[in-house]
Amino acid sequence: VQLVESGGGLVLPGGSLRLSCAASGFTFRNYRMNWVRQAPGKGLEWLSYISPSSSTINYADSVKGRFTISRDNAKNSLFLHMNSLRAEDTAVYYCARDHLSYGYFDLWGRGTLVTVSS
Amino acid sequence: DIVMTQSPDSLAVSLGERATINCKSSQSVLYTSNSDNYLAWFQQKPGQPPKLLIYWASTRESGVPDRFSGSGSGTDFALTISSLQAEDVAVYYCQQYYSSPVTFGQGTRLEIK
Repeated sequence: VQLVESGGGLVLPGGSLRLSCAASGFTFRNYRMNWVRQAPGKGLEWLSYISPSSSTINYADSVKGRFTISRDNAKNSLFLHMNSLRAEDTAVYYCARDHLSYGYFDLWGRGTLVTVSS
Repeated sequence: DIVMTQSPDSLAVSLGERATINCKSSQSVLYTSNSDNYLAWFQQKPGQPPKLLIYWASTRESGVPDRFSGSGSGTDFALTISSLQAEDVAVYYCQQYYSSPVTFGQGTRLEIK
């Protein structure tokens, strides 16, 4: 049972990036999934969730209009499309499984680092 | 948004002693209809993702040692480690999932004295 993020890297301010999260060992299509980030040396910030069927999506105000969450249940994958990136978006980005859609996270990936810098 | 405030920011405790971390929410996270507190605790060790310890304020996640316990209701909560072990050195976070957006406390760094 694991989540593995990929797609992080160095990007210029104003640029775009797409993160992926590969799920294995559990029935991915049954779970609401989330993205959470952690700036260097800082705390945890929830960003977005997507329901099992993609019918319900929610975003934090800090990323609304710039980030888009999506999923492909056939490929057991979660995505985060990030546009108009800013220096303050620099962080480790985690995907996290939501327990029964209650809103607490019982499985986390190891994260992927996104650095926004010129 | 519900603001979660942890205290202290850092804590040094001797091995084998009790450690207590407090978490206060800016509004109640207790659903009176089911009497459940929508509060979780996480442990994060350096270079690792957060790990779920406690949910519903006091329910221990499977595999979590019973020296970890959660308590409290409404707006005031605590995570207690009854006998500190070396492997418990970490940053601990509380999280409310009563309302969206879910929010986390700022974290409490636990060290060995």
